[in-house]
Amino acid sequence: NAGVMQNPRHLVRRRGQEARLRCSPMKGHSHVYWYRQLPEEGLKFMVYLQKENIIDESGMPKERFSAEFPKEGPSILRIQQVVRGDSAAYFCASSPQGKTDTQYFGPGTRLTVL
Amino acid sequence: QKEVEQNSGPLSVPEGAIASLNCTYSDRVSQSFFWYRQYSGKSPELIMSIYSNGDKEDGRFTAQLNKASQYVSLLIRDSQPSDSATYLCAVRPSGGSYIPTFGRGTSLIVHP
Repeated sequence: NAGVMQNPRHLVRRRGQEARLRCSPMKGHSHVYWYRQLPEEGLKFMVYLQKENIIDESGMPKERFSAEFPKEGPSILRIQQVVRGDSAAYFCASSPQGKTDTQYFGPGTRLTVL
Repeated sequence: QKEVEQNSGPLSVPEGAIASLNCTYSDRVSQSFFWYRQYSGKSPELIMSIYSNGDKEDGRFTAQLNKASQYVSLLIRDSQPSDSATYLCAVRPSGGSYIPTFGRGTSLIVHP
């Protein structure tokens, strides 16, 4: 009974490169959430998706960041032209249909921008 | 701007003592409240949820909610060194897409 899976676990990029973070929800879960956590800070909501649909992207920066959850395959968080301030832990969570407050978190991707 | 406030700590307690972690929130009509535990370098793990005023107990953990005071707390009885972690309070808002807002967390250290 696999939990939420994220890969890669660690990602190093140089300024200006693109970062792609992947998340596979728990089996049977149709909702995916992305959060960012900076050192010494709490979790900041970024985006909430269902299959082929963005439900809430109120926490996403207006530029360079995008997310998708296609009909087949994992959810992708894409960061274009990364800057040092993008260095953080990015967590994905999933929940069953209709239960946005019952979220199970993946292990996270630690992004380091050189 | 809906806010969730926690003392960052660290809160240091001796093994076997009761650890008390506190959280206040600004959205008066919030309905759902959660405590997550996060070990260093790991992901958050849901340990308690509470929806109505009063206490809710689960093993060594007790969540307390006072909606009139906009205050939620987590008590850990018989604290163990393995309880040393950061505890995140999360509050689900009353509207929108119902995504919980997280506090910054309180670092708990249980020393032998």
